[in-house]
Amino acid sequence: GQQVMQIPQYQHVQEGEDFTTYCNSSTTLSNIQWYKQRPGGHPVFLIQLVKSGEVKKQKRLTFQFGEAKKNSSLHITATQTTDVGTYFCAGPWGAGNMLTFGGGTRLMVKP
Amino acid sequence: DSGVTQTPKHLITATGQRVTLRCSPRSGDLSVYWYQQSLDQGLQFLIQYYNGEERAKGNILERFSAQQFPDLHSELNLSSLELGDSALYFCASSESAFFSGRGTDTQYFGPGTRLTVL
Repeated sequence: GQQVMQIPQYQHVQEGEDFTTYCNSSTTLSNIQWYKQRPGGHPVFLIQLVKSGEVKKQKRLTFQFGEAKKNSSLHITATQTTDVGTYFCAGPWGAGNMLTFGGGTRLMVKP
Repeated sequence: DSGVTQTPKHLITATGQRVTLRCSPRSGDLSVYWYQQSLDQGLQFLIQYYNGEERAKGNILERFSAQQFPDLHSELNLSSLELGDSALYFCASSESAFFSGRGTDTQYFGPGTRLTVL
């Protein structure tokens, strides 16, 4: 079946430093979604990327979908303590009605 | 607040027992998904219902079952519970049945039910 891998698994940064998490799929994806889960919370949808090479920005967050639509990245510029949480990517598989989630990258920010 | 409700918030039970988790989707959403998240683990897809019908199954154990009722709320039944079933169980809902890349396939997650099996 489809596998979605995320690296790194954990990342500690000093507040103000940049952060990037990478997502790689074993198969070509029609689209990819990103979610954030705060400690003790539930996953919250951040964004969906559909087009090859697509880049989308949300304030300090930049999302990119690879040209081959098999990888994606999330980059946070100048992290803040509010960025703490686990970031998951997810891609559809099967008949397109299931999402495979990556293992997530847990971001910790030291003030 | 995502608009998805789950009850109960916490559940503590013993091995061998059976429990039922309940989920009410966002108003207007026809799809309901169930996920399991073990401690420090990712999200494992269990099952999907769309407008009352089972549409997709993931790695759901035979001891687990689910259904979606005419009012679109869903229940996840876990039986013959084992210690390893202790986890967070999330329900999510979306408008559409497929993740086609349109705006209707955003998933909205509920707050989860934390199940502890002793």
